Amino acid sequence: DQQVKQNSPSLSVQEGRISILNCDYTNSMFDYFLWYKKYPTEGPTFLISISSIKDKNEDGRFTVFLNKSAKHLSLHIVPSQPGDSAVYFCAASGRGTSGTYKYIFGTGTRLKVLA
Amino acid sequence: DTEVTQTPKHLVMGMTNKKSLKCEQHMGHRAMYWYKQKAKKPPELMFVYSYEKLSINESVPSRFSPECPNSSLLNLHLHALQPEDSALYLCASSQAGAGGREQFFGPGTRLTVL
Repeated sequence: DQQVKQNSPSLSVQEGRISILNCDYTNSMFDYFLWYKKYPTEGPTFLISISSIKDKNEDGRFTVFLNKSAKHLSLHIVPSQPGDSAVYFCAASGRGTSGTYKYIFGTGTRLKVLA
Repeated sequence: DTEVTQTPKHLVMGMTNKKSLKCEQHMGHRAMYWYKQKAKKPPELMFVYSYEKLSINESVPSRFSPECPNSSLLNLHLHALQPEDSALYLCASSQAGAGGREQFFGPGTRLTVL
C-alpha cells in the first residue's frame, strides 16, 4: 500500500516556465512534508518543507502548497532552469510508535527542463 | 560542515563475503538513518538510530547488521547477501526528535552482489 504517491513519473517543461510537481498521501497522521531533488550519482538533496499547520511555504524559486483536506501537496518551480532537471521526491513524515520521526517517500517524478 | 559522507562509493561482493558500509557526519545530529534504494524506486527506510540507540528496524533481514559506534558514525555490516540486495544504500542524519524533520543524505554506496 503506497501511502505517498506521485502520479506523474515524468514531466517536461520549457526553460523559464513554471514546473508543477504533485504528490498525494493517504495517512492523515502525516504532519510534515518535504521535497527532495536527486541527481543520478548523488543522494537526495533537501529543497523545501511544510508543516501541516501551514498551507504554503516559499523559498526563492520554490513554493510548496499543502491542501490537507485533499491530502495533496505540490511543488512549484518558477522560473524553471535546465539545472533543475532531476528526479523529485516528496516525503511525508509522522511520529512512529517508537517516538522517532520517519519518512515515507513518494515514487518520484523525473523533471526535464528544456533549454 | 554540512556534509554526510559515505564510503565506499561502489562495492562489489560475493554472496559469501563480509563487508561494511560506513557513514559519517559532523553536524552534531543525533539521529542517523540507513535507506535502500532500488532502480526507479523511492528510498526505503531500513534502520533509524537515535542517540546511538537503534529505534527503528523496518523488519530488515539479519544479513544486514547496523552499528552506531558514536554520534558521528554509522556502519552497516553485510554478510551472506543475495543478488537481490544489490541497490544504492543511502545514509542520512538529522537532529533528533521533533526538531529534526529535515534529513541530510550522503551520496550513497552502490552495492552489487554477485
